[in-house]
Amino acid sequence: GAVVSQHPSRVICKSGTSVKIECRSLDFQATTMFWYRQFPKQSLMLMATSNEGSKATYEQGVEKDKFLINHASLTLSTLTVTSAHPEDSSFYICSARGDQPQHFGDGTRLSIL
Amino acid sequence: DAKTTQPPSMDCAEGRAANLPCNHSTISGNEYVYWYRQIHSQGPQYIIHGLKNNETNEMASLIITEDRKSSTLILPHATLRDTAVYYCIVRVGGYGQNFVFGPGTRLSVLP
Repeated sequence: GAVVSQHPSRVICKSGTSVKIECRSLDFQATTMFWYRQFPKQSLMLMATSNEGSKATYEQGVEKDKFLINHASLTLSTLTVTSAHPEDSSFYICSARGDQPQHFGDGTRLSIL
Repeated sequence: DAKTTQPPSMDCAEGRAANLPCNHSTISGNEYVYWYRQIHSQGPQYIIHGLKNNETNEMASLIITEDRKSSTLILPHATLRDTAVYYCIVRVGGYGQNFVFGPGTRLSVLP
């Protein structure tokens, strides 16, 4: 069964809306979670590393004020896409690692109209 | 993390073994070889990993050459549901480190 749960699986919303995506590790604690973005026909690109109890580390070119990450507990990290625009439409994937190889959520397909 | 090279695409007949190669000639002694796959519109799924010994689990076998510069993922009896993009990733073990995904190999299992 899934060890990383991501919700929602799909979001369609209007431009200017803020969208929150949740990532939960099931049955294990994850001090570190990762957020990836994947555009059509491309590979996964790391956006940020989420650390429990501290600020996230963002990759170069990722706006931290636009992609807000909160890792308030050892089993939950959230990604909020603020004031989303059509160019933010993408497939967002989180992952977490306990004492097993890194596991990934099933992704959230975000469509901004 | 070491860079990997994989063929962009491969075909395999259903029921036959699928052998997916990966080159990682600059791998370091403490770097593992991981394989993941991504079925369309889903998150990556862990398959197998190894350091230097060959590994086998219920999904696949991993063959690592003695010099560790290349490896092969073997799906012994491919099914249509194995059609996916397969990623070979090398990285050190330990917590808190992300995976760097290359373009992978798009495996098409044909009926």
